[in-house]
Amino acid sequence: EIVLTQSPATLSLSPGERATLSCRASQSVSSYFAWYQQKPGQAPRLLIYDASNRAAGVPARFSGSGSATDFTLTISSLEPEDFAVYYCQQRSNWPITFGQGTKLEIK
Amino acid sequence: EVQLLESGGGLVQPGGSLRLSCAASGFTFSNYAMTWVRQAPGKGLEWVSCITKSGDTTYYADSVQGRFTISRDNSKNTLYLQMNSLRAEDMALYYCAYSTRWNYFDYWGQGTLVTVSS
Repeated sequence: EIVLTQSPATLSLSPGERATLSCRASQSVSSYFAWYQQKPGQAPRLLIYDASNRAAGVPARFSGSGSATDFTLTISSLEPEDFAVYYCQQRSNWPITFGQGTKLEIK
Repeated sequence: EVQLLESGGGLVQPGGSLRLSCAASGFTFSNYAMTWVRQAPGKGLEWVSCITKSGDTTYYADSVQGRFTISRDNSKNTLYLQMNSLRAEDMALYYCAYSTRWNYFDYWGQGTLVTVSS
């Protein structure tokens, strides 16, 4: 099983700041990698797929980068609605796995 | 509009069984693989199971292999998860989801809660 380790566990920032979230895979997943956002009481929302492609309707302030084992989600300028939990996910190997999440909170 | 509506959750004793359903609408159900993902209270996401569009191939997490069975009825646009030998660690909100791109989940239901307790 591929283990995805997200860092930091919690990130405290202010609106307007830049957020950088990381995810490391225990072995290469190529670019078969996604990011999701989850707000309290809501289902997850797909943000990024294939490491760097924005899903439909996702604002341009969200960007993904990386390949193989190291991936980054960047939010260029935080909006109030961006404070949420973010999960990474790989689809390279069975079983599909998710990271443990990074909570992005308002400072 | 895509809709995924889960049902069938509830309170069950350890060792008991439940059958979850996910009614799909707003897309051609038979054209897509379907997936169950769960989330224990206050915890992260865990992939549970996936079934191909025809239903001929299924995949399971090790944690549920041999106890859970995923199936689908394309004539009813419905996905199922039969859960047997339930354990306390199976307690979670169960989401059904589907992917327009293989195993990236762009559409999710709102979930159905499974509580395992005596």
